[in-house]
Amino acid sequence: SSELTQDPTVSVALGQTVRITCQGDSLRKYFATWYQQKPGQAPLLVIYGKTNRPSGIPDRFSGSGSGDTASLTITGAQAEDEADYYCNSRGTDGDFWIFGGGTKLTVL
Amino acid sequence: QLQLQESGPGRVKPSETLSLTCIVSGGSMSSRGYYWGWLRQPPGKGLEWIGNIDYYGTTNYNPSLKNRFTISLDTSKNQFSLRLASVIAADTAVYYCARPRISGTTYYFDTWGQGLLVTVSS
Repeated sequence: SSELTQDPTVSVALGQTVRITCQGDSLRKYFATWYQQKPGQAPLLVIYGKTNRPSGIPDRFSGSGSGDTASLTITGAQAEDEADYYCNSRGTDGDFWIFGGGTKLTVL
Repeated sequence: QLQLQESGPGRVKPSETLSLTCIVSGGSMSSRGYYWGWLRQPPGKGLEWIGNIDYYGTTNYNPSLKNRFTISLDTSKNQFSLRLASVIAADTAVYYCARPRISGTTYYFDTWGQGLLVTVSS
């Protein structure tokens, strides 16, 4: 499959926990990677592999997955977490890379 | 620390050729284990992978883009490039260069350029 599906919008109250999901057949074979993108900025890698965080990414960000669905969880969302979040993985039908359509996270 | 920087025109006329370069600093492109890639993002829309190139110059592209793009490598200058012939309005986007990484079954871009907005307009 060459598609990853994300909910277009998600909201969370300040300090609460939010889960952003990504669904696609490729996730049965490949881990999802998660990026955060704020307006006017390049995407920033936040989670890769099972639940690896690059240096500098707060530990409130974590990843998980089961079957064809991967999730990015923010535990105790902060105002600065308001951004677009994209998942990506490898396609299953060939050597190509795919992205989800993105989720706009609003922190209320 | 590795840094990537896109360079090129901010505006291209329809039917012309778009050429972009990504300058790599803070690291060498000569490592055989690394790939280099291009992505784009139309205004207000999501990310789209264009293609990657490895140290040997082997490329792979997004099949949905119908072979419109060409990626090349110049390790002596520590840069890689993107070429798109016969641009159309739908090619208007922020173009990013990035470094793809593969670790087992994890595919990710760990370093990104700041992006360059290219507008196709007469």
